[in-house]
Amino acid sequence: EADIYQTPRYLVIGTGKKITLECSQTMGHDKMYWYQQDPGMELHLIHYSYGVNSTEKGDLSSESTVSRIRTEHFPLTLESARPSHTSQYLCASREGRGEQFFGPGTRLTVL
Amino acid sequence: GNSVTQMEGPVTLSEEAFLTINCTYTATGYPSLFWYVQYPGEGLQLLLKATKADDKGSNKGFEATYRKETTSFHLEKGSVQVSDSAVYFCALIILQGAQKLVFGQGTRLTINP
Repeated sequence: EADIYQTPRYLVIGTGKKITLECSQTMGHDKMYWYQQDPGMELHLIHYSYGVNSTEKGDLSSESTVSRIRTEHFPLTLESARPSHTSQYLCASREGRGEQFFGPGTRLTVL
Repeated sequence: GNSVTQMEGPVTLSEEAFLTINCTYTATGYPSLFWYVQYPGEGLQLLLKATKADDKGSNKGFEATYRKETTSFHLEKGSVQVSDSAVYFCALIILQGAQKLVFGQGTRLTINP
């Protein structure tokens, strides 16, 4: 059973607001990931982390930022949201060579 | 570089039909291969995997065989159900260096009763 959580599940906000999407896992996994999923379903890696104080940009450029101060927590922040940020955001974690587990996702709508 | 190409969708079948979703890959090195499934409103779940050539992954009636000679990992099920309606993603990972999953573009499957 995967124990990876994302909050909120749905968020509707106005342009210019600062938001933080939360992701937590209780499995002690070292690697964590953020994906952006567009309406056409394709997944784009936007950030990843190999452990505490480690963050890297992914394959798709994103205006969001991330932090990894604790192993279990990998929040994503948008300083000033825009309609182009409207998307589904998926968090995932993995330990070593094991299975990658995904959270349920946050569906963000920026008006 | 590493990439995954999936059969384009959407795919619509009747219940009890035979399913094949094609997946081919390009990889430097020796990848592990996966099929993930995403049900409506949810995140991705691992459906099955294979870690070396000729391995067969299976789960919930789905199967896929790692074919190194054709660089393929096609997903099959003998008799689909309405509950199999979902989006299916083929993926690979090279367990060296960055160790990032590389996904195909996804295939939406709809099963009609």
